[in-house]
Amino acid sequence: KAGVTQTPRYLIKTRGQQVTLSCSPISGHRSVSWYQQTPGQGLQFLFEYFSETQRNKGNFPGRFSGRQFSNSRSEMNVSTLELGDSALYLCASSTSGRLDTQYFGPGTRLTVL
Amino acid sequence: AQTVTQSQPEMSVQEAETVTLSCTYDTSESDYYLFWYKQPPSRQMILVIRQEAYKQQNATENRFSVNFQKAAKSFSLKISDSQLGDAAMYFCAYSDGNQFYFGTGTSLTVIP
Repeated sequence: KAGVTQTPRYLIKTRGQQVTLSCSPISGHRSVSWYQQTPGQGLQFLFEYFSETQRNKGNFPGRFSGRQFSNSRSEMNVSTLELGDSALYLCASSTSGRLDTQYFGPGTRLTVL
Repeated sequence: AQTVTQSQPEMSVQEAETVTLSCTYDTSESDYYLFWYKQPPSRQMILVIRQEAYKQQNATENRFSVNFQKAAKSFSLKISDSQLGDAAMYFCAYSDGNQFYFGTGTSLTVIP
């Protein structure tokens, strides 16, 4: 089975721009979660989608949004980028999300200049 | 609120020796899962081992085992016969079925 894939792997943007990241979960997995990883804050939960619905949300501003499609692929959007948004964005998928093991993608490295 | 604490930012171990990474968590739930994930430098995060809270028996996966102390809310990872490939950042994680909570990680160095 193919693993979780994320595109693009690297992105460089400037302040004020917006960005869309994509995540394709493992086949059969319906839950997709997004995390922001930074050296200072570790992994912080952004949100989780299950069956095209946002099921859980972390403590991030409204500039961070996401969606999930019927094939379980998910996108994350960050609008009005700030320097502090520079991070590794990880996507993880699981079968149903409830107490299941999460399988991570390689991440998208976002740099905001 | 659930929190996961890894009090050792960095650890080192001699190749072939044993090392234990510590993790404590805070929760009022009785049913939950605990995980250890490994993130090698510039590589994908992978699951090392997981433990169901309702199981008293400690989980093991080859050279990796855990010491799960539910009353103390402690979940340590023991790596036996350490290998160079074990060098990575290790994250302890907790899930109560709503979301995952991660510790800040322990960077493990393996000395040849």
